[in-house]
Amino acid sequence: DAGITQSPRHKVTETGTPVTLRCHQTENHRYMYWYRQDPGHGLRLIHYSYGVKDTDKGEVSDGYSVSRSKTEDFLLTLESATSSQTSVYFCAISEWDVGQPYEQYFGPGTRLTVT
Amino acid sequence: LAKTTQPISMDSYEGQEVNITCSHNNIATNDYITWYQQFPSQGPRFIIQGYKTKVTNEVASLFIPADRKSSTLSLPRVSLSDTAVYYCLVGVNQGGKLIFGQGTELSVKP
Repeated sequence: DAGITQSPRHKVTETGTPVTLRCHQTENHRYMYWYRQDPGHGLRLIHYSYGVKDTDKGEVSDGYSVSRSKTEDFLLTLESATSSQTSVYFCAISEWDVGQPYEQYFGPGTRLTVT
Repeated sequence: LAKTTQPISMDSYEGQEVNITCSHNNIATNDYITWYQQFPSQGPRFIIQGYKTKVTNEVASLFIPADRKSSTLSLPRVSLSDTAVYYCLVGVNQGGKLIFGQGTELSVKP
């Protein structure tokens, strides 16, 4: 299995508090991604990174920010958590080149509950 | 990215062959077709990928007709452990733009 860890694995927090989720990889892959998964919606891309300090928005980025100061770490921050952000969050990594389809490797997920 | 359509759910029995068809009418010339598998409480896992005709690996086969507007994932002799959600994706992983649809929830019964 690809070397991807997520922390914490479970978190309960209150509405309005900031929350940071961490994704750590040991594969030295250039691309890192954050997804959320909710019943009835499948996986939806929140943000992704294509290098240190290079990030871009996905399809559901409102209320989230990301940072990547090192190749191996990608942080997802919920600036002020809301109940609608209760979800399972998955980190993924991959390589990529123009025209080349690379598989994404997923982490174990973080279950976040906002009360 | 091309939109995909696949059945929401399928049932099967152990030992049977399961075929899951995905429709992708707007597939582009340089798009690849990729299938992922997801078990409960785990992240998705890559199964197979192809561009045209047939691809086979130790887990599954992928059949792609000449017009490439659909594809079929074939799982030979399924077991209970194949119970999972299967996602069909079309694209070239354009720097993160993988779009996961609803997937097909496969239930394998004894």
